[in-house]
Amino acid sequence: QVQLQESGPGLVKPSETLSLTCTVSGGSISSSNYYWGWIRQPPGKGLEWIGTIYYSGSTYYNPSLKSRVTISVDTSKNHFSLKLRSVTAADTAVYYCARLGAWGSAGDWGQGTLVTVSS
Amino acid sequence: QSALTQPPSASGSPGQSVTISCTGTGSDVGSYNHVSWYQQHPGKAPKLIIYDVNKRPSGVPDRFSGSKSGNTASLTVSGLQAEDEADYYCNSYAGSNTVVFGGGTKLTVL
Repeated sequence: QVQLQESGPGLVKPSETLSLTCTVSGGSISSSNYYWGWIRQPPGKGLEWIGTIYYSGSTYYNPSLKSRVTISVDTSKNHFSLKLRSVTAADTAVYYCARLGAWGSAGDWGQGTLVTVSS
Repeated sequence: QSALTQPPSASGSPGQSVTISCTGTGSDVGSYNHVSWYQQHPGKAPKLIIYDVNKRPSGVPDRFSGSKSGNTASLTVSGLQAEDEADYYCNSYAGSNTVVFGGGTKLTVL
């Protein structure tokens, strides 16, 4: 059973860069059957897809966030990462990493990590 | 890429059936049979309950079923139980390896 675990700072200052890592255990991030993604949920609000990466490094981003987002993968460490630049209070959310099928269904999720943007 | 439209709330009594809609456009729901549904209890990560419109992952009760017509997908929960009270989200493949979520529906079991 694959498990995903998010890690990173819980507090980020406005205008700085939010950085999170998702470590995958119980399965290989290099599997050709899956994609790996980031999804966030502002407090009390709905889910928003941020972006997805394939083990080869191909990336796909939400157009509304594309200019500020970079997702990368390190197959040697079996983890993938999220960087979101120039954050504001509107980026405060629980950030989830997930394993996705080829057509966007997220079958496995991390527990989520709350990132607060505040000075 | 706009969020899919879901009703903010839905409710039903134990044993009844309730249906939640998810409306998109011809660029997402209407073009692909790749709509998924998720159940989220407070403070927990979402759980996949339906994928590819009407397929259930292993372990998901058959009380949960999905369908699609045109640009609208639907999730039906039959034989409502107290533990079904949760938030439900749909998502759809939207082409070019992008995904879009719905705004979520809070299901209350009366």
